[in-house]
Amino acid sequence: DADVTQTPRNRITKTGKRIMLECSQTKGHDRMYWYRQDPGLGLRLIYYSFDVKDINKGEISDGYSVSRQAQAKFSLSLESAIPNQTALYFCATSDPGTGEEQYFGPGTRLTVT
Amino acid sequence: AQSVAQPEDQVNVAEGNPLTVKCTYSVSGNPYLFWYVQYPNRGLQFLLKYITGDNLVKGSYGFEAEFNKSQTSFHLKKPSALVSDSALYFCAVRDLLYNTDKLIFGTGTRLQVFP
Repeated sequence: DADVTQTPRNRITKTGKRIMLECSQTKGHDRMYWYRQDPGLGLRLIYYSFDVKDINKGEISDGYSVSRQAQAKFSLSLESAIPNQTALYFCATSDPGTGEEQYFGPGTRLTVT
Repeated sequence: AQSVAQPEDQVNVAEGNPLTVKCTYSVSGNPYLFWYVQYPNRGLQFLLKYITGDNLVKGSYGFEAEFNKSQTSFHLKKPSALVSDSALYFCAVRDLLYNTDKLIFGTGTRLQVFP
């Protein structure tokens, strides 16, 4: 979806490196989310933010951190990447005032070697 | 605990035939239920949702889903499948009891429509 963009789209990095994944949205939504997708496991929530000052851990936050720089920007960092963080990462937004559904970015495919 | 189950990893159907992708859920309160579709190399796209009201919900691309409270199910259906419907489908639930706006996703069902 063009309204939610993620950079980079693909990234290969080495074990121990710090890496940041970025998400930007033009939908004007307050709520933003980071998920990771692994085959056979579906999507699992890493972190979510209901506004710039409200950041919460999801079910698999260990090894990750986030920064909500503005309403439109939500970044995910891997402080010291490890191979089992190889996955497809999605950012999403929502606005309960206009509907309960979440809108997803195109994803970032991250490979940690 | 909140959970969603998609019992089939893959569903195969011939083009023109009806299709069903199954989803069951477990929540403590009333559920909000969603279906998303993921095409190759794309993010998830919203298909439809059940919030309240009619148990039969109509969504994008001719899909519909039926909410069945007694069976705690929310199966996705389409009367006539197209080859272009081939994709990965995810069911998701939000538990209103917790009011956290968090979605719990199923593991996904791959739909393959054969010509």
